[in-house]
Amino acid sequence: DTEVTQTPKHLVMGMTNKKSLKCEQHMGHRAMYWYKQKAKKPPELMFVYSYEKLSINESVPSRFSPECPNSSLLNLHLHALQPEDSALYLCASSQGQDGAFFGQGTRLTVV
Amino acid sequence: GENVGLHLPTLSVQEGDNSIINCAYSNSASDYFIWYKQESGKGPQFIIDIRSNMDKRQGQRVTVLLNKTVKHLSLQIAATQPGDSAVYFCAENSNDYKLSFGAGTTVTVRA
Repeated sequence: DTEVTQTPKHLVMGMTNKKSLKCEQHMGHRAMYWYKQKAKKPPELMFVYSYEKLSINESVPSRFSPECPNSSLLNLHLHALQPEDSALYLCASSQGQDGAFFGQGTRLTVV
Repeated sequence: GENVGLHLPTLSVQEGDNSIINCAYSNSASDYFIWYKQESGKGPQFIIDIRSNMDKRQGQRVTVLLNKTVKHLSLQIAATQPGDSAVYFCAENSNDYKLSFGAGTTVTVRA
């Protein structure tokens, strides 16, 4: 099983809403990632969790709050987002520092 | 800062021909490289990887070449098929969890 599962696939939220993106992997990978991808651009790293601890935060605004409840799950809590935060949010996992496997992403639209 | 980049933003290739996608990197500390394929509306798909102690690696219909002297990476796709139409990203890792992506090349296969 080389699958990373993300839910929901699509999300529309208002600027005052609170929502969460979810990610799950059952490959036993010890690192999990959140990336943000704007249209026609490469993915940009947001957060990295290693052994369930936050190891990298790429100066992401506090309106994005990651959480790693256990080694298989990764959440991204969203609050008070701006329209410019609309993007494809990708979760990935990896065994160590090798190439990451990505989920299909959540297409987020902030209205 | 140092990052990975691609030479051409687009590549048009005749079905059945071989494709070559190029990538230049500037971080001499990079020791691990990955090629990803991203189809419209999907997450990046791991194609093939290579470590800096190798100069060539082959997969099914794909070959990655690494030239550390000129900091150049290429992906060769043999007998290109319509299903190969996608955006291709090279990515590099320099011994941490920060996987950095190049700008991407959009490959279009002509029938």
